[in-house]
Amino acid sequence: EPEVTQTPSHQVTQMGQEVILRCVPISNHLYFYWYRQILGQKVEFLVSFYNNEISEKSEIFDDQFSVERPDGSNFTLKIRSTKLEDSAMYFCASKGAFYNEQFFGPGTRLTVL
Amino acid sequence: GESVGLHLPTLSVQEGDNSIINCAYSNSASDYFIWYKQESGKGPQFIIDIRSNMDKRQGQRVTVLLNKTVKHLSLQIAATQPGDSAVYFCAENNNAGNMLTFGGGTRLMVKP
Repeated sequence: EPEVTQTPSHQVTQMGQEVILRCVPISNHLYFYWYRQILGQKVEFLVSFYNNEISEKSEIFDDQFSVERPDGSNFTLKIRSTKLEDSAMYFCASKGAFYNEQFFGPGTRLTVL
Repeated sequence: GESVGLHLPTLSVQEGDNSIINCAYSNSASDYFIWYKQESGKGPQFIIDIRSNMDKRQGQRVTVLLNKTVKHLSLQIAATQPGDSAVYFCAENNNAGNMLTFGGGTRLMVKP
């Protein structure tokens, strides 16, 4: 069964450093998403991406964040200068053209020290 | 992927009993609702969905009920099993293809 994959599973970084979180969505999907979940809190939407551009973003997704689909398979989230409060689980999700179901990856746990 | 929280509502049921998990949503314009299951160390896993033109939908051992009048969603799990132990989130969407808004989650614990 096709699935969304994410790497790394755990990323530890120093405050102020740049991180890139990587995702490989399901191959024939067209819509891509990033969500985050701070420990003990609910899952929060960050950004959606379709047709090589951002289609919607939340207030969390400020100028420190960017997304890219550098090739036909990867979808990345970059945090330019990490802050302590960026520590969270980051989930990638993807969706096909005809169904509303978003398929989530296993997440990357980001720890900012 | 674990949503561990001191303030996460917890439902504890005996194996074999039925479980009912409730969710209140906020946006009356939402037209699509989903229940996700999140096990420890994993991402949210789709369980069942329902559109706003329906008030009930059944899957295998699960039923979702939607009450638009009071903006309430519930997930019923029949004959709950230990493997059902997880955190359950409802989510809403008012524009297919875009953002999901998640609820706070309920931890289901199944006692053998």
